[in-house]
Amino acid sequence: QSALTQPASVSGSPGQSITISCTGTSSDVGSYNLVSWYQQYPGKAPKLMIYEGSKRPSGVSNRFSGSKSGNTASLTISGLQAEDEADYYCCSYAGSSTWVFGGGTKLTVL
Amino acid sequence: EVQLVESGGGLIQPGGSLRLSCAASGFSVSSNYMSWVRQAPGKGLEWVSVIYSAGSTYYADSVKGRFTISRDNSKNTLYLQMNSLRAEDTAVYYCARVDRDGYNFDYWGQGTLVTVSS
Repeated sequence: QSALTQPASVSGSPGQSITISCTGTSSDVGSYNLVSWYQQYPGKAPKLMIYEGSKRPSGVSNRFSGSKSGNTASLTISGLQAEDEADYYCCSYAGSSTWVFGGGTKLTVL
Repeated sequence: EVQLVESGGGLIQPGGSLRLSCAASGFSVSSNYMSWVRQAPGKGLEWVSVIYSAGSTYYADSVKGRFTISRDNSKNTLYLQMNSLRAEDTAVYYCARVDRDGYNFDYWGQGTLVTVSS
């Protein structure tokens, strides 16, 4: 299983919106509506932000939203805040009880 | 409150073995799917293994045949037995609970560092 493809970095100014893409294949992202997104601060454990493509766990800001089209999933953060600066990882169920993560995207809030 | 606490990491020589533990509280490991995810230094996350509530286990190709996931229901603890360790296994290993839907990692431990080096 090859890792999902994410941009290495994205940036935006406070108040703006950014979108992080996550490209897989017809065997993972394209086959299942089971993409999740994780936020990770340096030295900390990942935190679930979006699951099953577009659902938000309780307690996660509605500034975070997810979508999918074909083999590509996307995470959008609106109203960017300084606290959003972190690494973001997508993850897709890949069938046969396996999962695949993306390489991660470093978000910088300018 | 759900908590996951990993232990057992350390420095090990190539070819050696190590067993990681993940003590859970606030829920039962036997009733949930549980997984291990690792992160090499400065790199991204990599899914390693899952154990289902019924006991079936699955592995990433990179560790298949070398790693074994298991649990002790009486101790509410998840394990990862790692054999024939390689330098490329060097990583922080996280245990994670899989949510009720069965596909998302909703709680994570703080991780334990495994360094494979001579």
